[in-house]
Amino acid sequence: GDSVTQMEGPVTLSEEAFLTINCTYTATGYPSLFWYVQYPGEGLQLLLKATKADDKGSNKGFEATYRKETTSFHLEKGSVQVSDSAVYFCALTPPGGGADGLTFGKGTHLIIQP
Amino acid sequence: DAGVIQSPRHEVTEMGQEVTLRCKPISGHNSLFWYRQTMMRGLELLIYFNNNVPIDDSGMPEDRFSAKMPNASFSTLKIQPSEPRDSAVYFCASSLRTGWDQPQHFGDGTRLSIL
Repeated sequence: GDSVTQMEGPVTLSEEAFLTINCTYTATGYPSLFWYVQYPGEGLQLLLKATKADDKGSNKGFEATYRKETTSFHLEKGSVQVSDSAVYFCALTPPGGGADGLTFGKGTHLIIQP
Repeated sequence: DAGVIQSPRHEVTEMGQEVTLRCKPISGHNSLFWYRQTMMRGLELLIYFNNNVPIDDSGMPEDRFSAKMPNASFSTLKIQPSEPRDSAVYFCASSLRTGWDQPQHFGDGTRLSIL
């Protein structure tokens, strides 16, 4: 079945550092790929998405590029802030539908120190 | 606009009791999802509905779990009888099933503790 693998956390960085959170997936066909963010005590929020190969999703300074050849969707940000501290989830849906259930990675806890 | 509303936010009960979690999706959304989040297993999809009809319940762990969606604005997830290993955060999410890139919108979750 489909699966998503993320780097284990926690990831601890200093403010203004460069961030990469790795995500790779296993799926048939061309899934849609997502990054969700979960702040403490809250539900998940969509951060960005990409629906076909070589698409780049971006939002709030975060970016991720859909790499079909490496089955990856790594999350990057050039300069992190303390407010970026949260848990980040990589996820996919089968081809054709964001309205089917998401398959999530286990999440990466990001801690940004001032 | 109101987001997905879940109740209660916290539930503490004793083993063997019936637990009912409630969800009100975003108005106009026609897909609804129930997830469970634990430290050990991460986020798991339990069941989802399209137009109030259950489509895939393969993630429901046991017969003790059941979910209903009697109308487009309300869904319940019931555990009977509850067990300590059911302790987790349960999320409800909704989306529009009209396009392939529609995101899912999550509620703030119900933190369930079974003693």
